[in-house]
Amino acid sequence: AQSVTQPDIHITVSEGASLELRCNYSYGATPYLFWYVQSPGQGLQLLLKYFSGDTLVQGIKGFEAEFKRSQSSFNLRKPSVHWSDAAEYFCAVGEGGGADGLTFGKGTHLIIQP
Amino acid sequence: GAGVSQSPRYKVAKRGQDVALRCDPISGHVSLFWYQQALGQGPEFLTYFQNEAQLDKSGLPSDRFFAERPEGSVSTLKIQRTQQEDSAVYLCASSLDLASGVTDTQYFGPGTRLTVL
Repeated sequence: AQSVTQPDIHITVSEGASLELRCNYSYGATPYLFWYVQSPGQGLQLLLKYFSGDTLVQGIKGFEAEFKRSQSSFNLRKPSVHWSDAAEYFCAVGEGGGADGLTFGKGTHLIIQP
Repeated sequence: GAGVSQSPRYKVAKRGQDVALRCDPISGHVSLFWYQQALGQGPEFLTYFQNEAQLDKSGLPSDRFFAERPEGSVSTLKIQRTQQEDSAVYLCASSLDLASGVTDTQYFGPGTRLTVL
């Protein structure tokens, strides 16, 4: 069975500083990888996704993520965070089948310090 | 265009009551998913529909949970005889289902927060 680990429950970053959120997955074949963001009281918004090809993917709001097969990782990065980036971030993996419910990590809560 | 909508946004139920949660997917989306998100956790898969067919219900936690999508668009998640452990946010997502063998992007609704007293 596939699984996703987000080792950091909380991360605090100063506004303007760089950010990296970690995600490790467990899955035998090439996974389909996603990062979602969830603001309080809101649903999940897709930031970016990796299906195949270039291992560095660009997303919305200035986010990017790099797929590293050798490390089973898909870390999310942003060079300079804004106060509006404070939210809960979820990494998810899909198997690539039609009836494909995503498996999510437990999330990382991002706090932005002024 | 309109996204995925869910209603009600908030539901308070007394233990033992039945509840029904509604999901309106994005128009034209073939696939529909339900997830349960407990407080402080990531969403967990409950069930999946392709059009009106429920192809996977392996994530439903008990036989008190029932989902339907009779006309292949709107879906309802019903929980019978609610228990306190059912308190969670219930998220609905839909996707186009572009091709077999590909995990399509799922677009999520805002969720229904269920509180069972």
